Amino acid sequence: DARVTQTPRHKVTEMGQEVTMRCQPILGHNTVFWYRQTMMQGLELLAYFRNRAPLDDSGMPKDRFSAEMPDATLATLKIQPSEPRDSAVYFCASGLRVWAPGGHTIYFGEGSWLTVV
Amino acid sequence: GENVGLHLPTLSVQEGDNSIINCAYSNSASDYFIWYKQESGKGPQFIIDIRSNMDKRQGQRVTVLLNKTVKHLSLQIAATQPGDSAVYFCAENLGNTGNQFYFGTGTSLTVIP
Repeated sequence: DARVTQTPRHKVTEMGQEVTMRCQPILGHNTVFWYRQTMMQGLELLAYFRNRAPLDDSGMPKDRFSAEMPDATLATLKIQPSEPRDSAVYFCASGLRVWAPGGHTIYFGEGSWLTVV
Repeated sequence: GENVGLHLPTLSVQEGDNSIINCAYSNSASDYFIWYKQESGKGPQFIIDIRSNMDKRQGQRVTVLLNKTVKHLSLQIAATQPGDSAVYFCAENLGNTGNQFYFGTGTSLTVIP
């Protein structure tokens, strides 16, 4: 089964440390999304890419968060420095955007569970 | 202080009964909708989708109904099973012009054996 792969699955880190989360989208998918899920806010869109180009990162705190796609098989989300309020589950999702009316399905990874103490 | 968190609507159904989960979406221009199921400790899993030019779509044991007049979406699960216990999210998308999916807060479904 094709699936979105995320690493690490679980991470506990101390406040101030750098955290990097990685995502391997489904092969052939050209859009990649980063979502954050918390009890307080639910699922929030942080950033998304199409054909590796960042299209929208307005949901991401710019001072500490950064998202990149070094190549088509890897997306990264970095937090530096991390803070306790960053504790959440971070999901990567990918989809195939075709140039036709109507949307496209996105598929989620299993998430990276981050705890900042 | 107390962590209030989101107030998730909850639904409890008896095993074997049908379940109906509702969702109100916000943007009248949204033209594509997806239902996701999220089990504890896992990522959201695609269940079924529907485009705005349709009112109804059926899958295996699931049916999605779309009422664009009142911006309402529902997911019907037939013969609900314990494995259906999860949080269900609807997501809306501006298909042709937007790439963002906006998710509802979710409904927690508990199936009673």
